[in-house]
Amino acid sequence: DAKTTQPTSMDCAEGRAANLPCNHSTISGNEYVYWYRQIHSQGPQYIIHGLKNNETNEMASLIITEDRKSSTLILPHATLRDTAVYYCIVSKGGATNKLIFGTGTLLAVQP
Amino acid sequence: DAGVTQSPTHLIKTRGQQVTLRCSPISGHKSVSWYQQVLGQGPQFIFQYYEKEERGRGNFPDRFSARQFPNYSSELNVNALLLGDSALYLCASTRSGANVLTFGAGSRLTVL
Repeated sequence: DAKTTQPTSMDCAEGRAANLPCNHSTISGNEYVYWYRQIHSQGPQYIIHGLKNNETNEMASLIITEDRKSSTLILPHATLRDTAVYYCIVSKGGATNKLIFGTGTLLAVQP
Repeated sequence: DAGVTQSPTHLIKTRGQQVTLRCSPISGHKSVSWYQQVLGQGPQFIFQYYEKEERGRGNFPDRFSARQFPNYSSELNVNALLLGDSALYLCASTRSGANVLTFGAGSRLTVL
């Protein structure tokens, strides 16, 4: 079973920031938080990951609470092309660890 | 650079048949994973191979098997197909020591 809880769906206006929450209250000390997204009919795409510090890359920012029990993915200026299912996953690092996907959050960016 | 390539992109089989799906990882990636995605659900882990050895297996029956070749490409085989095997089969690769997966576009299998 997935170790995370996400809202089923969210709406966001184009050009505004999209803030996607994720609860992972049972996360253990050596588990990372990963975010992937899946645009319709495509394979999932890696967005960002972090352990305990906030992270930022060209796609998004990841804010992890101090107790690490929840996190927020921020898309600073959402576009229509950001409409997708966003998956929050907790997993240990390393190349031999599987990812357990839940059902994710369907983000609909509205014009 | 080419991404993860999968073939075929679409295929239709009938119940009881067998299917082989193929995956070529990104150059330099030694780990390949397979996932099954049924409509409306997130991807479910099937297998992981690293350096040609099976390193993980999900909760799938023995009808599912896979292997990884010396060039790190991989095949997923499913025998005795059932209607419930209809799904998008995703392959992903990753570098050694990393857990950031790059997924292919998938092979969509329809079982009639």
